[in-house]
Amino acid sequence: NAGVTQTPKFRILKIGQSMTLQCTQDMNHNYMYWYRQDPGMGLKLIYYSVGAGITDKGEVPNGYNVSRSTTEDFPLRLELAAPSQTSVYFCASRETLRETQYFGPGTRLLVL
Amino acid sequence: AQRVTQPEKLLSVFKGAPVELKCNYSYSGSPELFWYVQYSRQRLQLLLRHISRESIKGFTADLNKGETSFHLKKPFAQEEDSAMYYCALKTSGSRLTFGEGTQLTVNP
Repeated sequence: NAGVTQTPKFRILKIGQSMTLQCTQDMNHNYMYWYRQDPGMGLKLIYYSVGAGITDKGEVPNGYNVSRSTTEDFPLRLELAAPSQTSVYFCASRETLRETQYFGPGTRLLVL
Repeated sequence: AQRVTQPEKLLSVFKGAPVELKCNYSYSGSPELFWYVQYSRQRLQLLLRHISRESIKGFTADLNKGETSFHLKKPFAQEEDSAMYYCALKTSGSRLTFGEGTQLTVNP
């Protein structure tokens, strides 16, 4: 199993551009999460999903959108990128009845 | 409101010395706490959870509800323990609230 995969690994965006961060897991997990990690800070939850077709906001959802059309994929969409969205983005997933979250390798995003 | 505080951003010890990474939490419900670790060039991964009451890689953590703490301890630190450690609190149903992390360096 590849576990949780994220693409791209690194991206530079110009202010106002948009992009989609991809996240895929092959463990058939129902729960999936998007976090951002700013330098010197902990992980902040952006959005999460408890199953295909169901998403909910986390702590810092402004400027982002998500969709969950399949169990495997949970893309994160940035519209009108801003410098404040410069961060490392982590995707995670977990089984319904187990609390352990499995993390992807992260996507480093720089907005200039 | 739920909150996790890790007061030390950086912690440096010598090999063989005891190490304690502090974690305090604020939560009105019954807390469920975790320690996650990120080694250099590796993914963030679960180290241990308080419900399991287990020792992983020599680390233990005890939930102290009176002091609202969940400190991570190891009696004899090893160089391979150098990593970033995050304390996390399970909040509503499916979510985790993370602390800001402590970078542990174990010097030879």
